[in-house]
Amino acid sequence: DQQVKQNSPSLSVQEGRISILNCDYTNSMFDYFLWYKKYPAEGPTFLISISSIKDKNEDGRFTVFLNKSAKHLSLHIVPSQPGDSAVYFCAAMEGSGGSNYKLTFGKGTLLTVNP
Amino acid sequence: GAVVSQHPSWVICKSGTSVKIECRSLDFQATTMFWYRQFPKQSLMLMATSNEGSKATYEQGVEKDKFLINHASLTLSTLTVTSAHPEDSSFYICSASEPAGAPDTQYFGPGTRLTVL
Repeated sequence: DQQVKQNSPSLSVQEGRISILNCDYTNSMFDYFLWYKKYPAEGPTFLISISSIKDKNEDGRFTVFLNKSAKHLSLHIVPSQPGDSAVYFCAAMEGSGGSNYKLTFGKGTLLTVNP
Repeated sequence: GAVVSQHPSWVICKSGTSVKIECRSLDFQATTMFWYRQFPKQSLMLMATSNEGSKATYEQGVEKDKFLINHASLTLSTLTVTSAHPEDSSFYICSASEPAGAPDTQYFGPGTRLTVL
């Protein structure tokens, strides 16, 4: 049972345009969401996160939007750069307190930004 | 940022043998470490959570006697795949979090590719 779904396995975008990566979840107990970026042969690196009390969080070229009623979040990258080409994982967590942060990941979306 | 290393990065073993994978936090102390497994084109699946000095907590469906986890110090956790079989071939990734860190302070290692012949 996939609780975090990234339905697009891949996305190709032209340099300078906007990249939109989507993520849906089914567990209504999730209250903290994260996006990770992963290059081949490397572990995921944290990109941006959002708490369920917010609907938008922005950090430079990266913005995450959360629609709780639709159980949907999206990551916007603008402008997209070739160095953004990587696999992007959406992850979710129940309860943001304590030190045992159990993450549930989606399958990832491979983003390719073409020069 | 904080660095987590894994060793080895790649291992091939014969069926029936045991393999140990190390996960180290290089510049911080990690009270909690997580072990994930990722099959091709699948998501990272949490296998277990280990806290320094105590027994690991395994996720449902993960055999604790097959995947032995030891978190003996604040900078080292090991995962031993015992009596490995071809179906155990996967990409194993660890992560570490700092004490009382925010949810996004979970740092991932580069992963270990295990191939069981």
